[in-house]
Amino acid sequence: AQSVTQPDIHITVSEGASLELRCNYSYGATPYLFWYVQSPGQGLQLLLKYFSGDTLVQGIKGFEAEFKRSQSSFNLRKPSVHWSDAAEYFCAVGSRANQAGTALIFGKGTTLSVSS
Amino acid sequence: NAGVTQTPKFRVLKTGQSMTLLCAQDMNHEYMYWYRQDPGMGLRLIHYSVGEGTTAKGEVPDGYNVSRLKKQNFLLGLESAAPSQTSVYFCASSTGTQYFGPGTRLLVL
Repeated sequence: AQSVTQPDIHITVSEGASLELRCNYSYGATPYLFWYVQSPGQGLQLLLKYFSGDTLVQGIKGFEAEFKRSQSSFNLRKPSVHWSDAAEYFCAVGSRANQAGTALIFGKGTTLSVSS
Repeated sequence: NAGVTQTPKFRVLKTGQSMTLLCAQDMNHEYMYWYRQDPGMGLRLIHYSVGEGTTAKGEVPDGYNVSRLKKQNFLLGLESAAPSQTSVYFCASSTGTQYFGPGTRLLVL
């Protein structure tokens, strides 16, 4: 069965420091992978996605993620965190078999706090 | 484009009452989804639709029904609300990438 694990429930990072949020997935084939961000009281906004090709994908707001097949991971990174990045981050996996028509499996989320 | 919209934004129900949540999208997407979000649980799929007139069960369908009479609308119904259905409900539409609505906060007393 497909599953997504985000090992860190809560992370605190100093403003200006680098960030890495971990995501591991379980899936029988190469999946579609997504990172979403949710600010308090808001909906989910897509940060970036991986479908195929270059395993390092760039997203909005200066985020990037790297797909590592050997480690079944899709970690999210940002070189310098801003206070406005404080939010909850969700990793999700979708089925490659039916890309458009299959719902996503979400991790439980990582809450990012940014200290000054 | 408004994208994905949801109504209402917030609702309080008493146990046993019924209600319908409306999701509308103006992107002509075939696929639409209803999720619920609970603290520490991420988002879990309730029901989804792969086109007008079709619906299917997701991970947590019990206590909910859905209808997709028009391509642009996807309705989620609670026939007899229970406190366990207190949650934030998100609708999404997709053509490969899922786009989410702003959510409906539901409190069942």
